[in-house]
Amino acid sequence: DAKTTQPTSMDCAEGRAANLPCNHSTISGNEYVYWYRQIHSQGPQYIIHGLKNNETNEMASLIITEDRKSSTLILPHATLRDTAVYYCIVRVQAGANSKLTFGKGITLSVRP
Amino acid sequence: DAGVTQSPTHLIKTRGQQVTLRCSPKSGHDTVSWYQQALGQGPQFIFQYYEEEERQRGNFPDRFSGHQFPNYSSELNVNALLLGDSALYLCASSLWRAQAFFGQGTRLTVV
Repeated sequence: DAKTTQPTSMDCAEGRAANLPCNHSTISGNEYVYWYRQIHSQGPQYIIHGLKNNETNEMASLIITEDRKSSTLILPHATLRDTAVYYCIVRVQAGANSKLTFGKGITLSVRP
Repeated sequence: DAGVTQSPTHLIKTRGQQVTLRCSPKSGHDTVSWYQQALGQGPQFIFQYYEEEERQRGNFPDRFSGHQFPNYSSELNVNALLLGDSALYLCASSLWRAQAFFGQGTRLTVV
């Protein structure tokens, strides 16, 4: 079973920041938080991952709470092309349990 | 860099038949994982191959088997197809400790 809890859906206006929450209250010390997204009928796309520090790349920012029990993915300026299902996943980096366990994700709809 | 490529893109098979799906990993990647995604669901892990051996396996029956070749490419085989095997089959490649990159998938329809 997935170790994360996400809302089913959310929407935001184009050009505004989209803040996608994720709860992972049972996360272990060696598990990372990963975010992937899946645009309709395509394969999942890697966005970002982190262990305990906040991370930023060209796509998004990842904010992880100090107790690591929740995180937020931030798309700073959402566009219509960001409409997708976003998956929050906790995972060890390597070894016997390094598979990705997907839940149902959160459907983000960006409106014009 | 071609990324992860899967073939074929679409496939229709009859119940009881066997199917083979193929995956070429991203250049430099040595690990291949396979996922099944039913309509409206998130991808479900089938198994992972590294150094030509199955390293991890999800909760799938023995009808699902795989292989990894010396060039790191991989095949997923499904025997005795059931209607419930209809799904999008995704291949992901990675280096052992790094993030996985997915292909566009093979849409399998069993009739």
